[in-house]
Amino acid sequence: EVQLVESGGGLVKPGGSLRLSCAASGFTFSSYNMNWVRQAPGKGLEWVSSISSSSSYMYYADSVKGRFTISRDNAQNSLYLQMNSLRADDTAVYYCARTYDRKPFDYWGQGTLVTVSS
Amino acid sequence: DIQMTQSPSSLSASVGDRVTITCRASQSISSYLHWYQQKPGRAPNLLIYAASTLQSGVPSRFSGSGSGTDFTLTISSLQPEDFATYYCQQSYSTVFTFGPGTKVDVK
Repeated sequence: EVQLVESGGGLVKPGGSLRLSCAASGFTFSSYNMNWVRQAPGKGLEWVSSISSSSSYMYYADSVKGRFTISRDNAQNSLYLQMNSLRADDTAVYYCARTYDRKPFDYWGQGTLVTVSS
Repeated sequence: DIQMTQSPSSLSASVGDRVTITCRASQSISSYLHWYQQKPGRAPNLLIYAASTLQSGVPSRFSGSGSGTDFTLTISSLQPEDFATYYCQQSYSTVFTFGPGTKVDVK
């Protein structure tokens, strides 16, 4: 069974940093591209970042470019999102999600809440 | 970036109704268009991919159509468990984008 489990969310002050993790199981992690998608309270879905299966390519939404860094460890079946210079509008539930090539997000984690507030 | 729009933003319907949601891309995305259902407090769930292919396990009352810039999600006979928010998403570009969502609630 495919499972994606996020962790690392919490309350952080504006300007602070946080590192999210996503533990994957039930599939060959190193064969899939991985993504972070977020959802601010009461709002829609926003794609944040993608990383290719071998970490050759990383892509970011303009809203996080230069502040967030996506990475992965295929040996540990883990995906990460390093978030720096956090702002109030980064407050959201952050989901990790799996894709393959240009296919859809077929599996999602349960999400982890990040709250940026003083 | 490719912009996605959806209409309507919300609709009220009754069990048994036929429901249609449209999604439009700001440029041609071929058939790289996918639909998700999301219920409150839950992660999104993939319904339809590549514009018209039903994801495994999704009831056949859901269907999708379209290509290029205009797409449609249809629920042929709305069931109680279908009251939710629906999002379209394009994967044509390496910068993925979602539509703003369509909330389907009880009339």
